[in-house]
Amino acid sequence: QKEVEQDPGPLSVPEGAIVSLNCTYSNSAFQYFMWYRQYSRKGPELLMYTYSSGNKEDGRFTAQVDKSSKYISLFIRDSQPSDSATYLCAMKGYSGGGADGLTFGKGTHLIIQP
Amino acid sequence: GAVVSQHPSWVICKSGTSVKIECRSLDFQATTMFWYRQFPKQSLMLMATSNEGSKATYEQGVEKDKFLINHASLTLSTLTVTSAHPEDSSFYICSARDWLLQETQYFGPGTRLLVL
Repeated sequence: QKEVEQDPGPLSVPEGAIVSLNCTYSNSAFQYFMWYRQYSRKGPELLMYTYSSGNKEDGRFTAQVDKSSKYISLFIRDSQPSDSATYLCAMKGYSGGGADGLTFGKGTHLIIQP
Repeated sequence: GAVVSQHPSWVICKSGTSVKIECRSLDFQATTMFWYRQFPKQSLMLMATSNEGSKATYEQGVEKDKFLINHASLTLSTLTVTSAHPEDSSFYICSARDWLLQETQYFGPGTRLLVL
């Protein structure tokens, strides 16, 4: 079993729809959770960073963490064609414990249809 | 803010040559930088952690003599792929951790390496 599972998609939705992206993980040492957006042949761009279980909202994006279920989500409201990209979840444990690098999911390829 | 640059953006080289990739944090100090590799349709895989002024820490399965890392200053880390072979062809991405915001990493645009 991989440490982080993420459905690679593609996920295709019409413009304006609410998008739900998810990851599950198995390592209970993960405490920090991030969502990155990656366009083709580009480096990942940080979208959201969360630590606590619960919801965090930033504009059209909402990140949700459920540590008890080891499940994280990213919701995108009022989706736009420009949101079409690959969305990567990433996570890590506490700093200084020798596990400072991020563990990534495989990424979900999202397509927003105009 | 939080801009990370990489140079070059792409490189083509012959098998057996060495290639150096630079990673710079432009508007913040990064005591720690990370090097990742991404194969087509695959996730980013951490190769090594680079701390300013000390030796890099390599992930299991990554040859430290093949992938030389130098973190000479708070804004620059370099990755040198020595004696590159076609199987080293990949997308190499660095990230930098802001020393003020320890838990976030900002990524560079990546360097695409093709070894012929």
